[in-house]
Amino acid sequence: GAVVSQHPSRVICKSGTSVKIECRSLDFQATTMFWYRQFPKQSLMLMATSNEGSKATYEQGVEKDKFLINHASLTLSTLTVTSAHPEDSSFYICSARGGAGETQYFGPGTRLLVL
Amino acid sequence: GQNIDQPTEMTATEGAIVQINCTYQTSGFNGLFWYQQHAGEAPTFLSYNVLDGLEEKGRFSSFLSRSKGYSYLLLKELQMKDSASYLCAAMDSNYQLIWGAGTKLIIKP
Repeated sequence: GAVVSQHPSRVICKSGTSVKIECRSLDFQATTMFWYRQFPKQSLMLMATSNEGSKATYEQGVEKDKFLINHASLTLSTLTVTSAHPEDSSFYICSARGGAGETQYFGPGTRLLVL
Repeated sequence: GQNIDQPTEMTATEGAIVQINCTYQTSGFNGLFWYQQHAGEAPTFLSYNVLDGLEEKGRFSSFLSRSKGYSYLLLKELQMKDSASYLCAAMDSNYQLIWGAGTKLIIKP
């Protein structure tokens, strides 16, 4: 079946540094990719939606200059957390929509810890 | 390998009860999540089970058997608004989520 991967699976960084998270659709072309943030035992919070080759659409309250999204190809989207702060520590999940029936598939998530 | 299985689609009648099953195989286990997702919206958290047994939360209950690698989501007194996709996700030993493909639940009047 369709698989979505994320890299890295976990990252620890110092406050003020930037972190890039990759999301790849491994066996299908993703027309749309979504980035979510998850807090423990809570719903996934949609941060932004991106379509290949165009600018991402950010949800209200999400800083586009802080969370840079690049959907460079039909199989790759990246989320860069710029000048990370401890409050950015979270579980970031991407999902990709594509393939037959335009199904949405979720990635395994990336744990970010900012010290 | 790691995988999650859940039915692709189920149909039930308004007011009835439906059980959505999920079986999983993961490297280690740190709990199982159920989410509800309406079309075009982000998944909404429903439940988290890490110990065996049934957890009831209003009309929704979730059950886990770790020895069997099995969980189910039980929805009672179905309402039309319960029509949605229900996602099962298991967390492995690295705290990564392994997602099922989702079960589309169709509620008929």
